[in-house]
Amino acid sequence: QQQVKQSPQSLIVQKGGISIINCAYENTAFDYFPWYQQFPGKGPALLIAIRPDVSEKKEGRFTISFNKSAKQFSLHIMDSQPGDSATYFCAARGQGAQKLVFGQGTRLTINP
Amino acid sequence: DTEVTQTPKHLVMGMTNKKSLKCEQHMGHRAMYWYKQKAKKPPELMFVYSYEKLSINESVPSRFSPECPNSSLLNLHLHALQPEDSALYLCASSQDMRRPGNTEAFFGQGTRLTVV
Repeated sequence: QQQVKQSPQSLIVQKGGISIINCAYENTAFDYFPWYQQFPGKGPALLIAIRPDVSEKKEGRFTISFNKSAKQFSLHIMDSQPGDSATYFCAARGQGAQKLVFGQGTRLTINP
Repeated sequence: DTEVTQTPKHLVMGMTNKKSLKCEQHMGHRAMYWYKQKAKKPPELMFVYSYEKLSINESVPSRFSPECPNSSLLNLHLHALQPEDSALYLCASSQDMRRPGNTEAFFGQGTRLTVV
């Protein structure tokens, strides 16, 4: 019940296309859902995050869509650029919990 | 300043060595974390310190010994490691996540550890 399932494992998108990464969870106590971006040899950096009282959050080219009833959330990257090539992790955290539960990660490659 | 600084960036150590990883933040965060990350895997939580007290130990072997000397510093002491302990060790900090509204965790760049 503590798992967050992320798909796909890897994704190749053409420059200018839309990249979509999906995550699903079981634990209804989760109340915070961040996405992290990680470049090789670097630590993860927070990209965007959402709480379950909102169905969508947009920051620049990055959008999180959240479906509370389906217990799913997804990251959409519009107008994908080669610089977006990285590994993306979704995560979840319960209220008052100190531990982030990470998905398995998606390696995104944007072809020029 | 939203930076978490880790030193060293790279470390090679033998199985009989003793070494330490260091982490520093000046954001006034009162929670600090150690994570271990293997290649192509997500970060795995090892330890959480909250207000300089150890609050979570994820059943980590005793050859890893954390220390939080003050609210800005976090160390990870290493002794008698095994080759399978080779990984990227990440430090992170945040406000106290047990309080409502405190959410974001900032990660350092990591220490790439190789045990030979």
